[in-house]
Amino acid sequence: AQKVTQAQTEISVVEKEDVTLDCVYETRDTTYYLFWYKQPPSGELVFLIRRNSFDEQNEISGRYSWNFQKSTSSFNFTITASQVVDSAVYFCALSEEGGANSKLTFGKGITLSVRP
Amino acid sequence: EAGVTQSPTHLIKTRGQQATLRCSPISGHTSVYWYQQALGLGLQFLLWYDEGEERNRGNFPPRFSGRQFPNYSSELNVNALELEDSALYLCASSLVGSGGQETQYFGPGTRLLVL
Repeated sequence: AQKVTQAQTEISVVEKEDVTLDCVYETRDTTYYLFWYKQPPSGELVFLIRRNSFDEQNEISGRYSWNFQKSTSSFNFTITASQVVDSAVYFCALSEEGGANSKLTFGKGITLSVRP
Repeated sequence: EAGVTQSPTHLIKTRGQQATLRCSPISGHTSVYWYQQALGLGLQFLLWYDEGEERNRGNFPPRFSGRQFPNYSSELNVNALELEDSALYLCASSLVGSGGQETQYFGPGTRLLVL
């Protein structure tokens, strides 16, 4: 069975600080996909990134970066120079390869508060 | 390009009633997914429709059902509403649901309150 653990529940930082959101996953499949979504107060889940299990390259997009390490089953998300607009709930999610496994399994989410 | 749309945005029902939630996927997407986000329970997978067929369902009772229409829009029906059905219901769509490789894009959700 697949599982995603986001051990941090709430993080509060001051604007311009860097912050890392942790994600640890469990799966028996060798092919799987990892995602990060952002949920602002409006409720809509905003897609941030998708990673395939066979591509361990880290990725950077502006102030956002992701560190994927299969050896530790982790897919961590770092926001550099955080801004108030980054305040939201962030979800890490996993899906497995194959037909009926298109569903996403989510972690509990991390509430990030960025104070001015 | 229009994103996933859901209606209504808010819905208030009483226990025992039925609720119908609607979702229109992104143009070109054939798969629609439903998730429930209840307080304290996180985001849980409900149903997956692709090409008009139910492909998978999560651990929810049969009173949660739905369908997908020929234009790929979808409806989620919740019968015999219970207080614990109060939640944000999120719909997502993706290109062909051929396994988890496709990214799911979410709509704004429907907030259901059961009194």
